[in-house]
Amino acid sequence: EAQVTQNPRYLITVTGKKLTVTCSQNMNHEYMSWYRQDPGLGLRQIYYSMNVEVTDKGDVPEGYKVSRKEKRNFPLILESPSPNQTSLYFCASSLSSGRASLAKNIQYFGAGTRLSVL
Amino acid sequence: AQKVTQAQTEISVVEKEDVTLDCVYETRDTTYYLFWYKQPPSGELVFLIRRNSFDEQNEISGRYSWNFQKSTSSFNFTITASQVVDSAVYFCALSVYSSASKIIFGSGTRLSIRP
Repeated sequence: EAQVTQNPRYLITVTGKKLTVTCSQNMNHEYMSWYRQDPGLGLRQIYYSMNVEVTDKGDVPEGYKVSRKEKRNFPLILESPSPNQTSLYFCASSLSSGRASLAKNIQYFGAGTRLSVL
Repeated sequence: AQKVTQAQTEISVVEKEDVTLDCVYETRDTTYYLFWYKQPPSGELVFLIRRNSFDEQNEISGRYSWNFQKSTSSFNFTITASQVVDSAVYFCALSVYSSASKIIFGSGTRLSIRP
């Protein structure tokens, strides 16, 4: 079954304690992305990756890091979490990042990770 | 710059009523895609529909219908004979050719269907 898997689904942590949210897709997708969802703001893009070893900032990258060492995995790293990073996080993937393939680009979303930073 | 506006923050209707969720978008690209996603109380995002900028035909899927009008930059979503299970947050979103895979989301409309 095609899917995007995020772990953990729920996480409560304290300020400053490094954490990683994992994201894995089994569809051989090139493009992966992280979003955060906050009330009244919809989903905002944090980072994205066009392919292995190719990552770039989205609209709200401050306080986050990512890596793309393998095609299937795109972990989100919070080196020193702060309370303003309390949010619902979504990982997404799509077949290709190329413009020519826009017609094929339906993004598949993970189930979400609800993070609380105390 | 691209933008998606969902002016209705919350809507509450009685079951079986029809309800329309508004979506207005901004882009200078001539090639783009519009989406609607549903987020039920469980939190996951459920893809509902994608339309491209060259296809203004309205679409109907069961009780759901979508009205795409380029003249007003709108992509409205109507639920006919609403049901309690339709209660969710609905997001309208935009993806443009020049930004390939990036999706810009509206702020969402919370729809509550009362029995």
